[in-house]
Amino acid sequence: QVQLQESGPGLVKPSQTLSLTCTVSGGSISSGGYFWTWIRQHPGKGLEWIGYIYHSGTSYYNPSLKSRATISVDTSKNQFSLKLNSVTAADTAVYYCARGATHAQSNAEYFQQWGQGTLVTVAS
Amino acid sequence: DIQMTQSPSSLSASVGDRVTITCRASQSIGVYLNWYVQTPGNAPKLLIYAASRLQSGVPSRFSGSGSGPEFTLTISSLQPEDSATYYCQQSFGTPYTFGQGTKLGIK
Repeated sequence: QVQLQESGPGLVKPSQTLSLTCTVSGGSISSGGYFWTWIRQHPGKGLEWIGYIYHSGTSYYNPSLKSRATISVDTSKNQFSLKLNSVTAADTAVYYCARGATHAQSNAEYFQQWGQGTLVTVAS
Repeated sequence: DIQMTQSPSSLSASVGDRVTITCRASQSIGVYLNWYVQTPGNAPKLLIYAASRLQSGVPSRFSGSGSGPEFTLTISSLQPEDSATYYCQQSFGTPYTFGQGTKLGIK
């Protein structure tokens, strides 16, 4: 059973860059058929998709983040990462990494396995 | 962006009840609809994908149906451990979006 674990600073100052890493265990990030995703949840609120990346490096992002987000993958460490620059208090949230999969018959994509999440607070 | 609207926003039901949650997309999304459940302090967990496919390990009392713009998640016989918040999510097009959540309580 694949497991995902987020890590990174819990406190980031305004205007700085938020950096998180997701370590994947129990499976190779290089194995085909999956994509690697970041999702966040503002305190007491709903879920917001940030973006995802394939092991090839192809990535897609939510335009609402106005190009502040970058997702990268390090297959040698079996990790993928999120960088979000120019953060403000509005970026305070629990950040989840997740493994995405595709249903072969319908081509529907879904978030199959999630990390436990990590709270990042933006404050001076 | 595709807007996802869930109803109701909250509900309370008794153990053994049949419970239905509805999710409506702002446009037709085929079967590109997933359901997740989240309990306080925990990550969301996948229940249903591609509108009606039960994720491995999920109890069979959960089922999903629908296509196009309207979908339902049904719990056939509510159990105490089903008290949680349920989210729908569309994967028809990026940015992927979620419903606002339905908080289900036990009477």
